Amino acid sequence: AQTVTQSQPEMSVQEAETVTLSCTYDTSESDYYLFWYKQPPSRQMILVIRQEAYKQQNATENRFSVNFQKAAKSFSLKISDSQLGDAAMYFCAVNSGYALNFGKGTSLLVTP
Amino acid sequence: NAGVTQTPKFRVLKTGQSMTLLCAQDMNHEYMYWYRQDPGMGLRLIHYSVGEGTTAKGEVPDGYNVSRLKKQNFLLGLESAAPSQTSVYFCASSYGLNQHFGDGTRLSIL
Repeated sequence: AQTVTQSQPEMSVQEAETVTLSCTYDTSESDYYLFWYKQPPSRQMILVIRQEAYKQQNATENRFSVNFQKAAKSFSLKISDSQLGDAAMYFCAVNSGYALNFGKGTSLLVTP
Repeated sequence: NAGVTQTPKFRVLKTGQSMTLLCAQDMNHEYMYWYRQDPGMGLRLIHYSVGEGTTAKGEVPDGYNVSRLKKQNFLLGLESAAPSQTSVYFCASSYGLNQHFGDGTRLSIL
């Protein structure tokens, strides 16, 4: 069975600052993918970034980057130059076949 | 470009009533999924389909049935709704691993 743990129910960051959201996971798969999804108040699920486990290089997408530690089964999301529009729930997920297993989420508050 | 469309967006049911949630995608994706999201929880997989005419159980399938008669549609049925099924339901589709989500259906069962 796979588990995804997000130990920070809530985080707060000031505009323009950097914040890191934590995620740990457990999987018996040797080949897998990790994801961060953003869910703003509109309820949409938006893919932020994806990491292939076989790649050592950390994925980046503009202001979003990950710190992937495969041996530690850790997959944190770093948001640089935080903006008010980054306020949302963030979910970490790992795939099981083509389905996804999600963590419980971290609520990110961005203050001016 | 509609993407993934869920119908309806909101619904209130009484205990014991039945209903069907419709998910339609226009991206020609093979894979489709139904998740539920409860307060303080991430999304949990109810059922999924890897192609037209196929369905499979996910993590929390009890009380739900699904059908995939057409490639573009994935239906989620509640035969006898229970208050424990009050939730937000998300449909998603994918060709590979990147899933595209609908906007969700908020379902309340009294």
